[in-house]
Amino acid sequence: QVQLQQSGPGLVRPSQTLTLTCAISGDSVSSNSAVWNWIRQSPSRGLEWLGRTYYRSQWYNDYAPSVKSRITINPDTSKNQFSLQLNSLTPEDTAVYYCARYASGRSWFDPWGQGTLVTVS
Amino acid sequence: QSALTQPASVSGSPGQSITLSCAGSSSDVGNYNLVSWYQQHPGKAPKVVIYEVTQRPSGVSDRFSGSKSGNTASLTISGLQAEDEADYYCSSYAGSTFFFVFGTGTKVTV
Repeated sequence: QVQLQQSGPGLVRPSQTLTLTCAISGDSVSSNSAVWNWIRQSPSRGLEWLGRTYYRSQWYNDYAPSVKSRITINPDTSKNQFSLQLNSLTPEDTAVYYCARYASGRSWFDPWGQGTLVTVS
Repeated sequence: QSALTQPASVSGSPGQSITLSCAGSSSDVGNYNLVSWYQQHPGKAPKVVIYEVTQRPSGVSDRFSGSKSGNTASLTISGLQAEDEADYYCSSYAGSTFFFVFGTGTKVTV
C-alpha cells in the first residue's frame, strides 16, 4: 500500500521560503498512473489545494491561482519523493501542510501524509 | 473560486441518520460528478469516505452514502455511531484553472 512520509521545519520566518518534502513508499513519483499533490489547512482558509506534479512521458505541474507566483513543486526521482517550496511567506501561510496522492483518472486524495504544522513567525 | 458551503455543525443521537450538505456552483459541484467527502478526526489527516458523488471506498462502512442534486451534494450517515464524531469536508473538481475546491467543513457531534 502507498504511504507518504512528510518532513520539514515547523517554524519559518516571514519573507523566507518554506521547503517540505514528501517521501513515497509503495509507489513511484515517476508513475504514469499517479498524481502528487500539496494541500494545506488553516482555521482561516480551511482546506486549500496548492498544486500537483505528475509524469506522463514528461513532467507536468499545476498550481492554485492563489499561490501560483510563490510556489514550486519538484519531483526527486533519485529519492522517490517530491517537495513543496513556498516563498515570500507571511503569517497567513501558517497552516498544516499535507502531501497527498490521487490515481490518474480519479479525483479523490488517498493516501495523505501525516501533516506538518508550519508556523510563520 | 470560493470554498464550497457546508453547515458549521450537525448533531444527532446514536442510531439516527443525519445529512450534511455541500453547496457549490455550476463551475464545480454542478458541472462534474467528481465530488468526494472526507472524514477528519482531531490531529489526523482527512480520510475519504465517498468519491465520485456516490461511490464508497472498500473498507468504509455502508452507513455512509452520497448524492447530488444540481449544485449541491449531500452526505448521509445512517445508524450514527460514536466513532462518526468528526469533521467532514466535501471536495469537488473545479476545472483546469482552480482544479480542486474544498468545503468549509461540518463538525458532526454524536
